[in-house]
Amino acid sequence: QSALTQPASVSGSPGQSITISCTGTSSDVGDYNYVSWYQQHPGKAPKLLIYDVINRPSGVSTRFSGSKSGNTASLTISGLQAEDEADYYCTSYSSSITLVFGGGTKLTVL
Amino acid sequence: QVQLVQSGPEVKKPGASVKVSCKASRYRFISYYMHWVRQAPGQGLEWMGIIHPGRGNTTSAQKFQGRVSMTRDTSTTTAYMELSGLKSDDTAVYYCARTSWALGGAFDIWGQGTMVTVSS
Repeated sequence: QSALTQPASVSGSPGQSITISCTGTSSDVGDYNYVSWYQQHPGKAPKLLIYDVINRPSGVSTRFSGSKSGNTASLTISGLQAEDEADYYCTSYSSSITLVFGGGTKLTVL
Repeated sequence: QVQLVQSGPEVKKPGASVKVSCKASRYRFISYYMHWVRQAPGQGLEWMGIIHPGRGNTTSAQKFQGRVSMTRDTSTTTAYMELSGLKSDDTAVYYCARTSWALGGAFDIWGQGTMVTVSS
């Protein structure tokens, strides 16, 4: 079970949009629509942002959106805000029950 | 509100074992899968394994097979993760996290994390 591939870091200015990619294989991201995204601030537990590739849980801002094409999923954050500065992780099922995380992406808001 | 409360920090010597608990409250414990995820200092999240609290069956990541044991006590709605043969690179924050199939099997509730330090 290899980790999904994410860029180590991305950055953007307030108000801009950024996209974080999450590349897996035909055995995980490409085979399941169970990709989810999490936001983690330092010292805190992760928070669910997106599930089933594109869905937002209740209470999550509409500025967060997800998509997928082939073996690559993406998280887009529009209208960047200072509080969006955090680490972001994708995850996918790699069988009916086992999971794999991405390596994480550090978002810096300039 | 629905919550997972984990046991406190641990300091262990190399070769020892550690057992972390995760007390679930305000939901039907046996109806939701429970996972264990760890995060080494400055590193990313790593999936360790899953237990179905109702049936008790478990699956662990290949990396931890033979070293991790996940159990549960339905009478106290508590899940446990025991890791044996500790090494220095097992130093990490260990999280329990619930998944909900209503949310595509995503982690919707997390414990606060338990810091495990392995040092001689």
